[in-house]
Amino acid sequence: EAGVTQFPSHSVIEKGQTVTLRCDPISGHDNLYWYRRVMGKEIKFLLHFVKESKQDESGMPNNRFLAERTGGTYSTLKVQPAELEDSGVYFCASSQDIRGYTFGSGTRLTVV
Amino acid sequence: AQRVTQPEKLLSVFKGAPVELKCNYSYSGSPELFWYVQYSRQRLQLLLRHISRESIKGFTADLNKGETSFHLKKPFAQEEDSAMYYCALTSGTSYGKLTFGQGTILTVHP
Repeated sequence: EAGVTQFPSHSVIEKGQTVTLRCDPISGHDNLYWYRRVMGKEIKFLLHFVKESKQDESGMPNNRFLAERTGGTYSTLKVQPAELEDSGVYFCASSQDIRGYTFGSGTRLTVV
Repeated sequence: AQRVTQPEKLLSVFKGAPVELKCNYSYSGSPELFWYVQYSRQRLQLLLRHISRESIKGFTADLNKGETSFHLKKPFAQEEDSAMYYCALTSGTSYGKLTFGQGTILTVHP
């Protein structure tokens, strides 16, 4: 089975620009999660989709972050406008139930 | 609030030596605990979880509710065990949302 795919793998943008990260979960996985690891800090939860609905978005840092999941398939995470503190590695994970996550390889975002 | 603490950012051992990566948690209910590992240039992957009570790659971890700990142990470390290790917690009410510790970089020297 194909794994969780994220792209781009790296993105370097200037402060104030917009970036969109994409995650393709494992086919059939209803649950999709976004996490972020900022330099030197722990991996932190951003939000959780069940199919196309947001189950929990308590970890979204502010309204510059917008996540969508089209038709319950792939998901996008848009940062607009990007700030320096948004730099980090963004992970996506999917699962069929609440256990047994599969993570993507992550997108390293650098805001300069 | 849920919290996971990994007190060691870095841990170095020699090949063949025992290794223990510490993890303490705070949660008032009944959590599920996990260890995730990220090898160099690979994605984060599940190593083991406490409900499985299994040994993966020679690693074991026992949930100690009295001490609120879930330390990861291996009696004889191998060079290929060098990686970043994360302890994580979820609860029955959080729909799979994981709370991670800060991670421990394990280096096993030849």
